[in-house]
Amino acid sequence: KAGVTQTPRYLIKTRGQQVTLSCSPISGHRSVSWYQQTPGQGLQFLFEYFSETQRNKGNFPGRFSGRQFSNSRSEMNVSTLELGDSALYLCASSFGAGLGETQYFGPGTRLLVL
Amino acid sequence: QKEVEQDPGPLSVPEGAIVSLNCTYSNSAFQYFMWYRQYSRKGPELLMYTYSSGNKEDGRFTAQVDKSSKYISLFIRDSQPSDSATYLCAMAKGGSEKLVFGKGTKLTVNP
Repeated sequence: KAGVTQTPRYLIKTRGQQVTLSCSPISGHRSVSWYQQTPGQGLQFLFEYFSETQRNKGNFPGRFSGRQFSNSRSEMNVSTLELGDSALYLCASSFGAGLGETQYFGPGTRLLVL
Repeated sequence: QKEVEQDPGPLSVPEGAIVSLNCTYSNSAFQYFMWYRQYSRKGPELLMYTYSSGNKEDGRFTAQVDKSSKYISLFIRDSQPSDSATYLCAMAKGGSEKLVFGKGTKLTVNP
């Protein structure tokens, strides 16, 4: 079974631009979560989607948004990019929602904002 | 005070050593505790999952939770060079609550 895939793997943008990242979960998984990982703050939860509905949201500004499609694929968008948005963005999928479900992480998209 | 504190290391040990990794936390509402391993240029993978207090063993790995001290540990016995990675602790209050991660400890096991 294929793992979680994320595209693109690397991205360079400039301040003020917007970016869209994509995540394809493991086949059959309906829950997708997004995380931001930086050396300074570590891994921080962005949001979780289950069956196209946002179930949970972290403490990030409204510039960060996401959505999930009927096939469980998910996208996250960051508008008006800032230098501090440079990070590794990780997507994780699980069969169901909730902490009893094992999350499987993708390799991440490394975003650099110049 | 951050909700979850984890010494970033780096930690360097010889092959075969027993490794102890630790996290402390401040929120007594945390009930679910996890350890993830992250290799360079990869996403984290779940190693251990524990609910409430106690010990859990899986092969060379043992996870301990002491809720009275708000302290969790991961022990690795007979460490191998392939264990070289960053280890992240994570915890949550319950139900559909989000995971809160430590910043990770970078471990190197030298052959």
